[in-house]
Amino acid sequence: DTGVSQDPRHKITKRGQNVTFRCDPISEHNRLYWYRQTLGQGPEFLTYFQNEAQLEKSRLLSDRFSAERPKGSFSTLEIQRTEQGDSAMYLCASSLDRGRSYEQYFGPGTRLTVT
Amino acid sequence: EDQVTQSPEALRLQEGESSSLNCSYTVSGLRGLFWYRQDPGKGPEFLFTLYSAGEEKEKERLKATLTKKESFLHITAPKPEDSATYLCAVQAASGGSYIPTFGRGTSLIVHP
Repeated sequence: DTGVSQDPRHKITKRGQNVTFRCDPISEHNRLYWYRQTLGQGPEFLTYFQNEAQLEKSRLLSDRFSAERPKGSFSTLEIQRTEQGDSAMYLCASSLDRGRSYEQYFGPGTRLTVT
Repeated sequence: EDQVTQSPEALRLQEGESSSLNCSYTVSGLRGLFWYRQDPGKGPEFLFTLYSAGEEKEKERLKATLTKKESFLHITAPKPEDSATYLCAVQAASGGSYIPTFGRGTSLIVHP
């Protein structure tokens, strides 16, 4: 198993454009999380899936953000009409519901720059 | 609301100079406390999970401990390759949410 993968690693876009990121979790993991991280801050929760069901979204998440996880495998995060404030590292993590063990394993992230 | 405060924000050590990082937390029942290492431009790397007060875990030069209010990450005889940001996160036991709350991290630089 190669761990969590994310694509692309870097994305530069112009304000107002739509962007989509992909995350492939560790194969046996049933939970998948999206986070946003800016410089000097810890990861900020965006949304979370258990299998294909989106169970929770951050109250701070704009309607411009949408995420899917078809068939409970890979996930996509789309940002519509990007703004300069969307510039950040977008992290994906996965975990396995296994008794009391809830640690998350992160991917390398997608660095978004909105110009 | 769950809160995690990490201190110091930044720490500079000489190689071999042992020290500790602190993670203070407020949570309504602790399901787990997690430590991660993050290198610049990369995703966090899982280090430890601690579940209950008194628990300790070790990995190479790192040792994590847990009390009812805080956790420490002890670094013994650090090397330059230990330079990174160390993140602490807590997961509450109440409700069905599995969303951890992260601190802002401690940036560690170890000089040769």
